[in-house]
Amino acid sequence: KNQVEQSPQSLIILEGKNCTLQCNYTVSPFSNLRWYKQDTGRGPVSLTIMTFSENTKSNGRYTATLDADTKQSSLHITASQLSDSASYICVVSPYSSASKIIFGSGTRLSIRP
Amino acid sequence: DTEVTQTPKHLVMGMTNKKSLKCEQHMGHRAMYWYKQKAKKPPELMFVYSYEKLSINESVPSRFSPECPNSSLLNLHLHALQPEDSALYLCASSAPGTSTYEQYFGPGTRLTVT
Repeated sequence: KNQVEQSPQSLIILEGKNCTLQCNYTVSPFSNLRWYKQDTGRGPVSLTIMTFSENTKSNGRYTATLDADTKQSSLHITASQLSDSASYICVVSPYSSASKIIFGSGTRLSIRP
Repeated sequence: DTEVTQTPKHLVMGMTNKKSLKCEQHMGHRAMYWYKQKAKKPPELMFVYSYEKLSINESVPSRFSPECPNSSLLNLHLHALQPEDSALYLCASSAPGTSTYEQYFGPGTRLTVT
C-alpha cells in the first residue's frame, strides 16, 4: 500500500534555531516528492518539488533532500522565524496516477520567541 | 498569474440550504481538483476534472455536486449537507502532461454546517 509517514508529529523550537522534518514513503515508482507549508485554515503552499532523480532542492531557508534508495526525504529549516509556525506536509505523486497524490499527515511546527 | 482563487472564504449554511463554492484559475491548467480537509488531517481528494470532464469521483455523497463550466472555473454545489461535512474545502489545479505535475492550491473555503 502506498503510504507517506512523517515525523515528528509536532515540534516546538525557539526562534532562530534550525530544525529537520522527516518523511518516509513506500510509494514506488513515483514522479515527484513535494513539501508544502500550510498555515492554519489556509491552503497548502509549495516549498520544494523534487523528481525521483534529484537529491536536494533549496528554497531560501528551506532545503529538502531525497534519498530514493532508503525512500526518505527531509526538510531542513534554517534560522527559524515566527512565521515558520505552520504544518509541513510531505506529498508524493505516484507514477501510475499523478492526479491521486498521497499526503503525509504533516508535522505541526511551532516557533517560540 | 500563479494563483488559484476561491470564494467565499467562509460559509455557514443550514442542513436544508443550497449553496455553491467557486474556484478559479488563469494559469491555463487543464486539471482541477476538489479536496476536503478536516482539522489536523491531510486533505482528502473528492473530485478531479481533466479537460473539463469529470475523471475521478472518490465515492463522494451525491449531496456534493461538482461542475466545471469552462477550463478556468470549478464549482462545488452543496445541498442537504450534514454537520460532519463541516471542513475546509480546497481547490487545486495542475497542468496535465508536465513532468512535475505540481498542484497549486487555493486558500480554501471554511464551511460550517449548522
